[in-house]
Amino acid sequence: NAGVMQNPRHLVRRRGQEARLRCSPMKGHSHVYWYRQLPEEGLKFMVYLQKENIIDESGMPKERFSAEFPKEGPSILRIQQVVRGDSAAYFCASSPDGTTNEKLFFGSGTQLSVL
Amino acid sequence: AQSVTQPDIHITVSEGASLELRCNYSYGATPYLFWYVQSPGQGLQLLLKYFSGDTLVQGIKGFEAEFKRSQSSFNLRKPSVHWSDAAEYFCAVSNQAGTALIFGKGTTLSVSS
Repeated sequence: NAGVMQNPRHLVRRRGQEARLRCSPMKGHSHVYWYRQLPEEGLKFMVYLQKENIIDESGMPKERFSAEFPKEGPSILRIQQVVRGDSAAYFCASSPDGTTNEKLFFGSGTQLSVL
Repeated sequence: AQSVTQPDIHITVSEGASLELRCNYSYGATPYLFWYVQSPGQGLQLLLKYFSGDTLVQGIKGFEAEFKRSQSSFNLRKPSVHWSDAAEYFCAVSNQAGTALIFGKGTTLSVSS
């Protein structure tokens, strides 16, 4: 897990506020994946990004959620107007390329709590 | 539909005893199979993977898993469990192209002394 940095570790928001989750991939990794883990559920894929491009966003809700991975800086998962159902652990993973999951490394996650 | 089933939500094993965690998958294409471990407050760590070849794969921390195509299973085993193995274990499947992993709901392992 070392190398993929997520912050903050814990984020508390009130309903209607915005949440911004950050992910810095491992050095040399240009592919980032976001997963969401709801209570007592496995991880669910949300979005796959390469630098400046969204490759696959099939798992991301169509409204209120967006993701970016700019040329410089971390990947950001943004949730607007949060609701209680958004409370979950959000994990980021990175890999050096998108050809295999063999070199996929996960961060420690951000626990989002919506009051 | 593609899915991964881990039938056991919670398992308790005595320290030193053997362990087997079950995983069944439903996947149209040739599956790439993974087992991950998640300790409390931590991210996921890859234990082992199966892509092709020998159906018995060895992983870290003394774990192994066997791919059985006829049973659509990829069960995780360890001959002697240590207290530090207490964690949540996830089975996952993906395709060769390295796209999204599909995870099971996980099995929580408790180790009793």
